[in-house]
Amino acid sequence: QKEVEQNSGPLSVPEGAIASLNCTYSDRGSQSFFWYRQYSGKSPELIMFIYSNGDKEDGRFTAQLNKASQYVSLLIRDSQPSDSATYLCAVARRKLIWGLGTSLAVNP
Amino acid sequence: GAGVSQSPSNKVTEKGKDVELRCDPISGHTALYWYRQSLGQGLEFLIYFQGNSAPDKSGLPSDRFSAERTGGSVSTLTIQRTQQEDSAVYLCASSSNGGASAYEQYFGPGTRLTVT
Repeated sequence: QKEVEQNSGPLSVPEGAIASLNCTYSDRGSQSFFWYRQYSGKSPELIMFIYSNGDKEDGRFTAQLNKASQYVSLLIRDSQPSDSATYLCAVARRKLIWGLGTSLAVNP
Repeated sequence: GAGVSQSPSNKVTEKGKDVELRCDPISGHTALYWYRQSLGQGLEFLIYFQGNSAPDKSGLPSDRFSAERTGGSVSTLTIQRTQQEDSAVYLCASSSNGGASAYEQYFGPGTRLTVT
């Protein structure tokens, strides 16, 4: 079992819909979780992070943690074509442990 | 303020040659990371610097790879006797020290290395 797993996708949603991206992690003691967005041909950029004490909302983005089931979710409301990218989940364990990413396509 | 910069942006080299890749982190960031990303693949951790020290170099693929950081700032990743499998995008990231912010990494634009 990989330490951080993501469905590679592609996840395809229509414009205006909610996109839901999931990431599972193996270490139950993990405390910090990060979501990065990577556009094709570009570098990853940090979009959100949450700690084990709760969920977080930032504009159209919400990150949620389910500790019992060991997964984190990223919800993107009112999805836009500009949200089309690969979303990387990372879990902090002395260093960031990265998932392989989920490709999201938002169709106009 | 200025972000992480990397040079060169593209490098084409012949198999067997040595290459040097440079990273200039965000001013004041004490932590610096090197990653490699092959086409369509995930991020592969190479090495981590805290100041000028490298407490974690576990990701360096072979002894052909080395890295140094001077003055707590600029870092150079050197690949000796390049092989075709070294072709990838090499990404540098930096973060500030202290608590969870150490994991908020800011990436440079990367160096695309092609070994022919």
